[in-house]
Amino acid sequence: QVLLQESGPGLVKPSETLSLTCTVSGGPIINYYWSWIRQPPGKGLEWIGHIYYSGGTNYNPSLKSRVTVSVDTSKNQFSLKLTSVTAADTAIYYCARSYSVSYYSPFDYWGQGTLVTVSS
Amino acid sequence: EIVLTQSPGTLSLSPGERATLSCRASQSVTSSYLAWYQQKTGQAPRLLIYGASSRATGIPDRFSGSGSGTDFTLTISRLEPEDSAVYYCQQYGNSPRTFGPGTKIDFK
Repeated sequence: QVLLQESGPGLVKPSETLSLTCTVSGGPIINYYWSWIRQPPGKGLEWIGHIYYSGGTNYNPSLKSRVTVSVDTSKNQFSLKLTSVTAADTAIYYCARSYSVSYYSPFDYWGQGTLVTVSS
Repeated sequence: EIVLTQSPGTLSLSPGERATLSCRASQSVTSSYLAWYQQKTGQAPRLLIYGASSRATGIPDRFSGSGSGTDFTLTISRLEPEDSAVYYCQQYGNSPRTFGPGTKIDFK
């Protein structure tokens, strides 16, 4: 059973950088795409971007200027950095795995999500 | 960006009834790369359907998906009490990946 677990600060100040890590257990990080998805409280889902295990990335243009996703295969982890945050970035942040090794793949395994609040 | 619209916003039904959820895309979804997810309160989304009509592992056969191009449907043939949730469609054939706003199923 593949498990994903997000970790990182639950509170970030405006203008600072949000940093989260997703730890993957029960399966390999190689050969899959790994995504970050967020959901403002009570609202819908927004895909932030993904990384292939080898390091290739693809970001949502709406966030591209502020987002970096990286991977550490030796630790079975991938990470998200979002700079210059505002209250609009307050959300539950999920990490998720692609259903298959294909670039065109939905998300089958998800972390439980972590709430990040942007507030001074 | 492909914009997905879901209707209705809320479905109020009774257990045993049939639920029909609609997802419409602003442009054709490449190769029917359309998925459906179920999200219960306080939980992460769960993949139900991919490729418009293929059930994910462990999904009961009362869930079925259909459609192509710009119009897609999720059907739950006989609602069970545990089906109360929000259902999202998502396209993964174009970047950025996008989700619909969701349809909530609650019980009368």
